Amino acid sequence: TQLLEQSPQFLSIQEGENLTVYCNSSSVFSSLQWYRQEPGEGPVLLVTVVTGGEVKKLKRLTFQFGDARKDSSLHITAAQPGDTGLYLCAGARITGANSKLTFGKGITLSVRP
Amino acid sequence: NAGVMQNPRHLVRRRGQEARLRCSPMKGHSHVYWYRQLPEEGLKFMVYLQKENIIDESGMPKERFSAEFPKEGPSILRIQQVVRGDSAAYFCASSPPGRRTGELFFGEGSRLTVL
Repeated sequence: TQLLEQSPQFLSIQEGENLTVYCNSSSVFSSLQWYRQEPGEGPVLLVTVVTGGEVKKLKRLTFQFGDARKDSSLHITAAQPGDTGLYLCAGARITGANSKLTFGKGITLSVRP
Repeated sequence: NAGVMQNPRHLVRRRGQEARLRCSPMKGHSHVYWYRQLPEEGLKFMVYLQKENIIDESGMPKERFSAEFPKEGPSILRIQQVVRGDSAAYFCASSPPGRRTGELFFGEGSRLTVL
């Protein structure tokens, strides 16, 4: 059972275009994170959202957490070739002092110059 | 500040051999997680350890796989009698104690190829 569904799975766009990708779940999470992974490297944390409805901006990237804390979106303005990579969302369940992160399959983004 | 260190970065084994993957967490981090990644699949949770304790091993295959995080030294993921299906990238991640939002800091991974 895939708890986190990311869409679209693949996206190829031209430099300068805007895009929005999604991370959806039927489960509620304590927090949700977005990571970016480049080939041959490990995932790097981009942002954590915690509160339902929360919006966070990171330069040209805008992240939103759904009101019910089950889904999230990532919007990139004026995409650049450097944005190319695998974007992973991950939901955290925290019980006591322990936490467990569940990842979606990721969105492969290619930005053509 | 050193990040999460994994070694080896690449490992080639023949079927039936053992693979040992090592992970040193970030300084000050006492929680270690191991994930496996296959092409076009997400990161699959394997095991969560704190020093000398396995907290959650619900993602570990029942046979041939084991993990430890001793009081001294790195965490080790051991795969005995490897098979071709074990070929994957194995990522270690760490987090500090008391982190309430669950963020993980990943190493660059160990890529296992089983011939």
